[in-house]
Amino acid sequence: QSALTQPRSVSGSPGQSVTISCTGTYSDVGGYNYVSWYQQLPGKAPKLMIYDVSGRPSGVPDRFSGSKSGNTASLTISGLQAEDEADYYCCSYAGSFVVFGGGTKLTVL
Amino acid sequence: EVQLLESGGDLVQPGGSLRLSCAASGFIFSTYVMNWVRQAPGKGLEWVSGISSNGGGTDYADSVKGRFTISRDNSKNTLYLQMNSLRAEDTAIYYCAKGIFGKYDSWGQGTLVTVSS
Repeated sequence: QSALTQPRSVSGSPGQSVTISCTGTYSDVGGYNYVSWYQQLPGKAPKLMIYDVSGRPSGVPDRFSGSKSGNTASLTISGLQAEDEADYYCCSYAGSFVVFGGGTKLTVL
Repeated sequence: EVQLLESGGDLVQPGGSLRLSCAASGFIFSTYVMNWVRQAPGKGLEWVSGISSNGGGTDYADSVKGRFTISRDNSKNTLYLQMNSLRAEDTAIYYCAKGIFGKYDSWGQGTLVTVSS
């Protein structure tokens, strides 16, 4: 049950696009189309932003998009806004358990 | 509106026990898989355990298997986590989360468990 691998930090200027990667194995990310992404603001509970690789819950801006290729999933945020500054976590189903990534801190410059 | 309200977090000595509760409202609790996810101070998220809608199926992270027990009472719309043989590394905010296959669309505000002598 090893954690998925995410970059520790990414940054971008307002209006730009950033992509956060999430690398696992054939047993988790590569084996199931059950990758989710969460946004966590300081002191708050996580919020679901993407589910089932590329699904977007109601209320999440379409600036947020997800994709997957092989054992690596990605979250892309286009048209960066100051309010997007947060920690982002990927998550994958892995059979009898669920595994999260270590988290990526997004800084909006 | 979906609401999940955790309680039971406390300071406990290593080797001790604690039971967390999560009171649910705003949805048909008995039809949803429920989970516990924790976050150690300054660290990332870690899935702890999940339970099927009728309570008949449970899964655990290797880090808690044999020490923690997840359960639910659908008549009370409440999820539980019994934690035994607690260790310092179990110190974390514990969240209950509604959903399946990692798609957790609702979370509680969390309850803090501190394991220290």
